[in-house]
Amino acid sequence: DGGITQSPKYLFRKEGQNVTLSCEQNLNHDAMYWYRQDPGQGLRLIYYSQIVNDFQKGDIAEGYSVSREKKESFPLTVTSAQKNPTAFYLCASRGTGASYEQYFGPGTRLTVT
Amino acid sequence: LAKTTQPISMDSYEGQEVNITCSHNNIATNDYITWYQQFPSQGPRFIIQGYKTKVTNEVASLFIPADRKSSTLSLPRVSLSDTAVYYCLVATTGGGNKLTFGTGTQLKVEL
Repeated sequence: DGGITQSPKYLFRKEGQNVTLSCEQNLNHDAMYWYRQDPGQGLRLIYYSQIVNDFQKGDIAEGYSVSREKKESFPLTVTSAQKNPTAFYLCASRGTGASYEQYFGPGTRLTVT
Repeated sequence: LAKTTQPISMDSYEGQEVNITCSHNNIATNDYITWYQQFPSQGPRFIIQGYKTKVTNEVASLFIPADRKSSTLSLPRVSLSDTAVYYCLVATTGGGNKLTFGTGTQLKVEL
């Protein structure tokens, strides 16, 4: 059953702690993405990776870090430097070729208090 | 990356056809137009993609005029379950590339 998995679905942390969100895909896609969504808002791009061991900052990368050591995995770390980390985080992947379709995971809702 | 502009919200009734227009004045020659649907607390889902003229699949149609500066997503005979946010995305095909979503259109379908 191919797709993207994100874990956990809900995550609670205390302010000042770093937290890592998991994203795994078995679609053999080269490109992977992290988006943040706040209530009633659209998706904002945090980081994206076009290939293993390479990634680029999106529009709101400050306070976040990523790694891409394996094709299947693209974990996102929300650091204590991120001023407003509470949000819904979505991971996506995309293959090469003519189709432009991104496949999204179910998301992780992070609450920091 | 071409910036897109969509209406913030639209209202409709069950059984009606809904047309959502997206403006993308700075679209480049190699850009495709893609529409996604998102339900609350879920990831967006691909609906349809096109380059020019008209594309139709089992759930929607996409109309793109010759100048490609806008596109219209058409949903035939909507139902309550079509209540969602619809995003228009314009970017080059292929793997990678920075993919940025706009604010989307909140469609509300009522009885």
